[in-house]
Amino acid sequence: NAGVMQNPRHLVRRRGQEARLRCSPMKGHSHVYWYRQLPEEGLKFMVYLQKENIIDESGMPKERFSAEFPKEGPSILRIQQVVRGDSAAYFCASSPASGSGNFGNEQYFGPGTRLTVT
Amino acid sequence: ILNVEQSPQSLHVQEGDSTNFTCSFPSSNFYALHWYRWETAKSPEALFVMTLNGDEKKKGRISATLNTKEGYSYLYIKGSQPEDSATYLCAYITGNQFYFGTGTSLTVIP
Repeated sequence: NAGVMQNPRHLVRRRGQEARLRCSPMKGHSHVYWYRQLPEEGLKFMVYLQKENIIDESGMPKERFSAEFPKEGPSILRIQQVVRGDSAAYFCASSPASGSGNFGNEQYFGPGTRLTVT
Repeated sequence: ILNVEQSPQSLHVQEGDSTNFTCSFPSSNFYALHWYRWETAKSPEALFVMTLNGDEKKKGRISATLNTKEGYSYLYIKGSQPEDSATYLCAYITGNQFYFGTGTSLTVIP
């Protein structure tokens, strides 16, 4: 059973370019979370998605950042017109659904994508 | 801004020592608390999911307790081993959101 997969593992972009980060959840998991770890800081929640739905995006910057989790295919975190401050490690996690809500389920993390903006 | 605090920030112990660290969180609107272990160059791995006040969970030499009324959780490691060296993160869950602490970095010296 493959774990959570993220690609690419390392991504270098010049200022102003777009960055697309992909996350394939574990088999059978329908909930995906994105986190950002800035240098010398902890994990910060960005967005929580279920298939075709954004449940909570309150941790996502209002501009330039978007996320989706389509019916088919991986979840995508998209950063438009990247700036140096976007350089960070971006982690994706997934969890299974449960009838009473998801928040009691542990999350399984991917290896992360390290974005460097030059 | 919601604060989840972990203390100490870092800890060095000798092999065989027992140790514990704290996660403090708001006592209102609590839904769940997670503990994760994060080794260098790896991904965070879930240790415990705790939802009820007074919960105690155990996995091998590691255990955790939860007090939702006063807003804290303790993680205990009995007889620390070098392979326990990692950062231990707690995550406070409220509503749809997950708030991670900055972690306690544990180094076990052989």
